[in-house]
Amino acid sequence: DIQMTQSPSSVSASVGDRVTITCRASQGISSWLAWYQQKPGKAPKLLIYAAFSLQSGVPSRFSGSGSGTDFTLTISSLQPEDFATYYCQQANSFPHTFGGGTKVEIK
Amino acid sequence: EVQLSESGGGLVQPGGSLRLSCAASGFTFRSYAMGWVRQAPGKGLEWVSGISASGGTTYYADSVKGQFTISRDNSKNTLDLQMNSLRAEDTAVYYCAKTLSGWYYFDSWGQGTLVTVSS
Repeated sequence: DIQMTQSPSSVSASVGDRVTITCRASQGISSWLAWYQQKPGKAPKLLIYAAFSLQSGVPSRFSGSGSGTDFTLTISSLQPEDFATYYCQQANSFPHTFGGGTKVEIK
Repeated sequence: EVQLSESGGGLVQPGGSLRLSCAASGFTFRSYAMGWVRQAPGKGLEWVSGISASGGTTYYADSVKGQFTISRDNSKNTLDLQMNSLRAEDTAVYYCAKTLSGWYYFDSWGQGTLVTVSS
């Protein structure tokens, strides 16, 4: 199985900050990667798919990049509603494993 | 509007069985692959199982292979997860999820149903 490793596990940031989250795959997954946002008690929400494609309705301050084994999710200017936990997921091969998550907290 | 509604969760003793069901509406169910994702209390997301649009191909996480069975009824717009030989580590909120058209990413999720395995 492909292992997905996210870093950092948590980050403290202020409104307006630029935040970058990294996801590394244990083997190459081309661009078969998604990013999800999850708020407490809620289902996850798809933000980015195919490494850099923005899901419909998602604000443009979210962006994704990378291919192969190394990927990033960037929030260009953090907004109050962005405080949440973010997960990456590979869809290159089954099982479609998730990363461990990155919690974005208020500084 | 896409709607996914899980049911069937609850408290079960170790070694017991449960069958989760997900009722889908607001989209052409038979055209989309579907899946189940779980989240243990206070933990991250774990991909559990997936099924093709036709139901002819199924996929499982190693942790549930041989223990769980995913199925779908395209005439009733329902997705099921039969869970046998349940263990404490299967305790989690189980989410039903729809894939994005042409992809295996999940673009719509249910509200989740809690499965608690305890004596």
